[in-house]
Amino acid sequence: GAVVSQHPSRVICKSGTSVKIECRSLDFQATTMFWYRQFPKQSLMLMATSNEGSKATYEQGVEKDKFLINHASLTLSTLTVTSAHPEDSSFYICSAQRLAGEIETQYFGPGTRLLVL
Amino acid sequence: KQEVTQIPAALSVPEGENLVLNCSFTDSAIYNLQWFRQDPGKGLTSLLLIQSSQREQTSGRLNASLDKSSGRSTLYIAASQPGDSATYLCAGASSSASKIIFGSGTRLSIRP
Repeated sequence: GAVVSQHPSRVICKSGTSVKIECRSLDFQATTMFWYRQFPKQSLMLMATSNEGSKATYEQGVEKDKFLINHASLTLSTLTVTSAHPEDSSFYICSAQRLAGEIETQYFGPGTRLLVL
Repeated sequence: KQEVTQIPAALSVPEGENLVLNCSFTDSAIYNLQWFRQDPGKGLTSLLLIQSSQREQTSGRLNASLDKSSGRSTLYIAASQPGDSATYLCAGASSSASKIIFGSGTRLSIRP
């Protein structure tokens, strides 16, 4: 099956610091990866679409200068939360899109829990 | 724009019962629909994926159906067990798999 990993799984940081989260597709290449955010007791909301070799596409209301996305290779996308504040505390989940024939499927990572103090 | 709704928000049933979770979506031009399980504080576990050309998928005690004309999908769980307790999310992708919209989830509790 298709496996997607995230690192770290949990991170606690001080307000004002930056945090980088990695998303890797372990056994397939993904030209497109996605970043979602999930607040407590809420569903997942798409933050941005990460395209290998080009700029990410952000959803309305998501600050691109605060949530920096880099998709430098076909198996790795990174999300950097810059100058994190307590309101950025959330569960961040990535997914990687795999194309098998003509069928596209997103495979999800296990998530990263961010707590900003 | 695709919208996905799940009803009920929470459900509690005794062990052994068969149950149905509901999901509705607004855009019938759906690419695929997926059901996920999420345990507290954990990531997503994909349960079943139904492509737009399919009407249902089965895995063990789980059966998911897709009716594009009515904009509905159901997840049927047979002979429920306490270990089935979790939040179940349905997610619809429109046009391609690129835009997945999640429902708000149904929090399921199976009483021993």
